[in-house]
This record gives sequence, C-alpha cells and structure tokens, in this order.
Amino acid sequence: QSVLTQPPSVSGAPGQTIIISCTGTSSNLGTGYDVHWYRQFPGTAPKLLIYRNKNRPSGVPARFSGSKSGTSASLAITGLQVEDEADYYCQSYDAGLSGSTGVFGGGTKLTVV
Amino acid sequence: QITLKESGPTLVTPTQTLTLTCTFSGFSLTTSGVAVGWIRQPPGQALEWLALIYWDGDRRYSPSLKNRLTITKDTSKSQVVLTMTSMDPKDTATYFCARESDDSYPDWGQGTLVTVSS
Repeated sequence: QSVLTQPPSVSGAPGQTIIISCTGTSSNLGTGYDVHWYRQFPGTAPKLLIYRNKNRPSGVPARFSGSKSGTSASLAITGLQVEDEADYYCQSYDAGLSGSTGVFGGGTKLTVV
Repeated sequence: QITLKESGPTLVTPTQTLTLTCTFSGFSLTTSGVAVGWIRQPPGQALEWLALIYWDGDRRYSPSLKNRLTITKDTSKSQVVLTMTSMDPKDTATYFCARESDDSYPDWGQGTLVTVSS
C-alpha cells in the first residue's frame, strides 16, 4: 500500500488531455512538501517529468504540467501522443519522528488508445 | 555529465545480507545539499523509497524497513553503499540509486535486479 494514492490506470486518445491525480495526507502533501512526477517505460529507470509541483526540467515538453493544492496534486498531459504510454509516479516526502522520508505513489499506467 | 551505476549480487539466499554499491560521477557527495538515495521496484509493482544519505552524513530510512537497512558513503570513491539484512523472497526487486536535488530525483542509475531465492 503506497503512501500516496494514484489511480491504477488512465487512458486517452491521441490529441486528448489526461489528468493523473496524486492524493496524500496531512503528513506529506498537506504539510507543505512538494510533489514530483516521473515517467517510466518498461525495463528502464524513471525519468523526472515535473519537480516542485509545477516545474519542468530542461527537455520536458510543455505538454506536461503539474499542480498541487492541499493534500492533492495532479499531472496533466495535453496533446496525448502514442509515445506517452508509460507508467507515471508521483513522489514526495513524509514527516516522521526521525526526519522526513521519501514516499511514492502506487503508479498510474497510461494507455493511449 | 552525471552518472550513477548500481552493482552487487544478482542472486541472494533467504536470510542473507544484501550489499549494493552505487558508484557515481559528475557530482560530489561533499558538496552542501547533495544527497544520494536508494529506491526499489519489485517486478510489475510500484517504486518504493528505501534510504537517503546527505552530504553531511545525515541518513534517512523507510520507516517500514529501517531495522534492516544501513546506508553509508565513501566520498573518496564516490560511492554509496546500501546493506539490507534478513533478505526474503519478497525483497526481489530492481534496486535503483539516484541523486537527490531539491527533494526530487533528477538522475538515476540503470538499476540492478536482485533475486532472493534458495
């Protein structure tokens, strides 16, 4: 059971817009920790797509955008492309007695139909 | 250019201790703010955060695994080592190391698959 909750799957047609949600709690997203998003293709390492809620690393297309409000965050992909089919993960930190520790969502499989 | 690479055994026996090494280049773990972490992914499952070590030696561990994990660094070798005790078949996974920056992980190793089986 992952600390951050994501829908197991989403789908969309080429050209459409999809949104993937990431829900946390008062000990992680709700306490001000930023959320980050990754894309992972089978057999490869995750790649950072969005950092600090809404920022895109160099080279990530503007089709990818992120937002965060309270204990929830979302990743939007506009102009969906076949090559966007992958697994997407949100990540943040969680406040603990011994200091903050990393947490991931359960992942969302995006299918482009 | 930043690179990270994981190394270690591909097969361990149940109850054994796993030792994985992350060898990196392109940055220094003596620089303020720098950290290196370990994340794993069982086959077909989600990513799981394991541990993190900061430039100043501060260490963080997954609460559910902290009794089994130890993370150390050797700055002279540009390496971070993760040990996990009492390995179980449920620990079969691809183990990644990654550079942490502003709480996110922009740079990852390719990962190494560790199978736990007798």
